Amino acid sequence: GQNIDQPTEMTATEGAIVQINCTYQTSGFNGLFWYQQHAGEAPTFLSYNVLDGLEEKGRFSSFLSRSKGYSYLLLKELQMKDSASYLCAAMDSNYQLIWGAGTKLIIKP
Amino acid sequence: TAGITQAPTSQILAAGRSMTLRCTQDMRHNAMYWYRQDLGLGLRLIHYSNTAGTTGKGEVPDGYSVSRANTDDFPLTLASAVPSQTSVYFCASSASTSGEYNEQFFGPGTRLTVL
Repeated sequence: GQNIDQPTEMTATEGAIVQINCTYQTSGFNGLFWYQQHAGEAPTFLSYNVLDGLEEKGRFSSFLSRSKGYSYLLLKELQMKDSASYLCAAMDSNYQLIWGAGTKLIIKP
Repeated sequence: TAGITQAPTSQILAAGRSMTLRCTQDMRHNAMYWYRQDLGLGLRLIHYSNTAGTTGKGEVPDGYSVSRANTDDFPLTLASAVPSQTSVYFCASSASTSGEYNEQFFGPGTRLTVL
């Protein structure tokens, strides 16, 4: 079956760095997405990886290892507004997104 | 630019009643999707449409139907609502289904309660 695993909840301190991990098992693979979702709002796109390696976008970076079925989202210089859920989604061979349940990130002052 | 709009924002519905959730996008995207989001679970795909005139079943299609008469609109119908359909429903669209063009843009959601 297809499956996405990510931690349910993480806590970090304002100004620090946090890494949110995601492992996936899908029928075929056409890339991995990370989305941010604030409470009560819609998900918004953060990043897309299809090749192995690190993609950096400002304070956010995303890493992919296809051979390990593994990705992580790295958030630097954490701000209070980064408190949100972070959703990992892998695209399968049918180009459908398989979504993880999300990681709720709590930022403390 | 509005992006994607959904209506209504929220609704309380009696079990057994029918209802249509509306979704409209103005980005001329080919693909559109309906998801439900329940606490502790990931987004689950209900139905999708890769292009106007075509639709397909997702992971949890039972009890729901869709149509895609044109590019912009993708309504979701519950024929006879049941309490297990209580959820937050998100409509999304993407330029296409392949690669980075599958970046999905989401509407604000419809919170549906079936009693």
